[in-house]
Amino acid sequence: QKEVEQNSGPLSVPEGAIASLNCTYSDRGSQSFFWYRQYSGKSPELIMSIYSNGDKEDGRFTAQLNKASQYVSLLIRDSQPSDSATYLCAVSAGNQFYFGTGTSLTVIP
Amino acid sequence: DVKVTQSSRYLVKRTGEKVFLECVQDMDHENMFWYRQDPGLGLRLIYFSYDVKMKEKGDIPEGYSVSREKKERFSLILESASTNQTSMYLCASQNSGAYEQYFGPGTRLTVT
Repeated sequence: QKEVEQNSGPLSVPEGAIASLNCTYSDRGSQSFFWYRQYSGKSPELIMSIYSNGDKEDGRFTAQLNKASQYVSLLIRDSQPSDSATYLCAVSAGNQFYFGTGTSLTVIP
Repeated sequence: DVKVTQSSRYLVKRTGEKVFLECVQDMDHENMFWYRQDPGLGLRLIYFSYDVKMKEKGDIPEGYSVSREKKERFSLILESASTNQTSMYLCASQNSGAYEQYFGPGTRLTVT
């Protein structure tokens, strides 16, 4: 069983819509949860960190964590064409760090 | 801001050559990592290090070795490059504990 699972997509949303990206993880001891954005040909860039249950908002981005369901999500409001990228979910338990394979998002103008 | 730099953005090497990829971070992070990324396979961990002169094998260490002589520098070595090592190589650093990893810009290596 993979440690971190994401839908590979591709996910397409119209400009201005809400994009919803989901991630599940298997290690109940996981403590920290991250979302990275990766543009084609570039390296992953950290966009959100979340450590406790609930929602965390940063501009147009909201991360949601539910440890009981072992589920973390990323919502992107008012999606822009510049949000088109692959989004990687990452989970950390102590010094163990696991990445999902990423969800490709396309925002259609 | 955390800065992780890698020695080359693009590199072309011949089969059998010894290849050195260097990574330097400026945030005094204890942990450093080398990944490779291939289409459809995601990030795969090659080696990591939690301290100077320490190294641990990741998921795909075969054909690679590493060196960490100084805290800020972590080198990946391809002892005898092969075409199946053509890939994007990503270095990352992390403060000790369950913290975020920061990535360098990556090195696109082509072995011909």
